[in-house]
Amino acid sequence: GPKVLQIPSHQIIDMGQMVTLNCDPVSNHLYFYWYKQILGQQMEFLVNFYNGKVMEKSKLFKDQFSVERPDGSYFTLKIQPTALEDSAVYFCASSLGTGGYAEQFFGPGTRLTVL
Amino acid sequence: AQKVTQTQTSISVMEKTTVTMDCVYETQDSSYFLFWYKQTASGEIVFLIRQDSYKKENATVGHYSLNFQKPKSSIGLIITATQIEDSAVYFCAMREGGNNNRIFFGDGTQLVVKP
Repeated sequence: GPKVLQIPSHQIIDMGQMVTLNCDPVSNHLYFYWYKQILGQQMEFLVNFYNGKVMEKSKLFKDQFSVERPDGSYFTLKIQPTALEDSAVYFCASSLGTGGYAEQFFGPGTRLTVL
Repeated sequence: AQKVTQTQTSISVMEKTTVTMDCVYETQDSSYFLFWYKQTASGEIVFLIRQDSYKKENATVGHYSLNFQKPKSSIGLIITATQIEDSAVYFCAMREGGNNNRIFFGDGTQLVVKP
């Protein structure tokens, strides 16, 4: 099936540093998402991005978070500065559209550890 | 408010048997989409099957089928002829209609299939 790639698979950084998580979505998909999963807990929606804009974001999407996809390259999630509570697995997803094309395909996740 | 609830934390079954995983959801929308995803031991999240709220017929894909009981806001996942490789965490999820794209996930049910 369609594949979403995420780079890196694991990132360890010190609190206060900046981190960028990279996502290579399915090639013809137009909608992009980030979800956060703290170990052993459910996945929670962070943000939805379409046509260069944030369409929707949750309370978890703090001011320190930002997303972009410059020139059709990686879809990125940047956290600056990081905090201890940002430690989690971050999943990127993409979908072709909405409605009948609502399936979101997920990447393998990036495990972020903030020390 | 939107919510997805999976009450079964863990289920253990013998190989080649049938298992049912429960899920109930809450939404105010008249149109919504329901999904089941599987998270493998490696962390990979795999889309399995979906049910659109306006469809009365239960969805079936391979050895996965759904028991959609709309009046009860219930969407159970049935796996027939289970295999060892079906062992994973299964997440029920919901997406509301319209321009909303965020998916609400349940807490997951751990399925262990024994030989």
